Amino acid sequence: TQLLEQSPQFLSIQEGENLTVYCNSSSVFSSLQWYRQEPGEGPVLLVTVVTGGEVKKLKRLTFQFGDARKDSSLHITAAQPGDTGLYLCAGARINTGTASKLTFGTGTRLQVTL
Amino acid sequence: NAGVTQTPKFQVLKTGQSMTLQCAQDMNHEYMSWYRQDPGMGLRLIHYSVGAGITDQGEVPNGYNVSRSTTEDFPLRLLSAAPSQTSVYFCASSYSWTGGNTIYFGEGSWLTVV
Repeated sequence: TQLLEQSPQFLSIQEGENLTVYCNSSSVFSSLQWYRQEPGEGPVLLVTVVTGGEVKKLKRLTFQFGDARKDSSLHITAAQPGDTGLYLCAGARINTGTASKLTFGTGTRLQVTL
Repeated sequence: NAGVTQTPKFQVLKTGQSMTLQCAQDMNHEYMSWYRQDPGMGLRLIHYSVGAGITDQGEVPNGYNVSRSTTEDFPLRLLSAAPSQTSVYFCASSYSWTGGNTIYFGEGSWLTVV
């Protein structure tokens, strides 16, 4: 059962355009992370959001955690070729007494062309 | 700056063969885990460990074994390889797993079972 659905799955845009990637679930998460993965490498953490409604900015990237902590979005302003990669959201379920397990989304593959 | 080191990088196995994917981290992290990544599926948790001597199953544990005899090492064993285990495998570690901590991934191991 896939708990986190990302959309769109693929996105091909030109340099300078804006885009938004969505990460949705019917489950509540204690925290949500966004990763970027480049070909031949492991995912690298971009941001962690922990509070419902939280907004974090990382240069041209804006991350938002939904008020109910069930969804998140990643907005990129003025995309550049260096933003190309696979973007993954990952949520930590609220567990008591055991280690939280991280659930990854299905991924959004972004290609930014000149 | 070793971080999380996985070996081998590439491996081809015949159906029924066994092998071990090695993972080592030099950050004294408590939490280590193994994921597999398949197209359109994101990353799925195979097994994880919250400390030396403690392991538990993730989402897709069948056909895999793990052990954690030291803090640094967390090998993944394929008992009798099947074509369905063709995938990219990632080892990961983090300081602790209470949710929201940075997870560091290795560079991945590409496994093909023929």
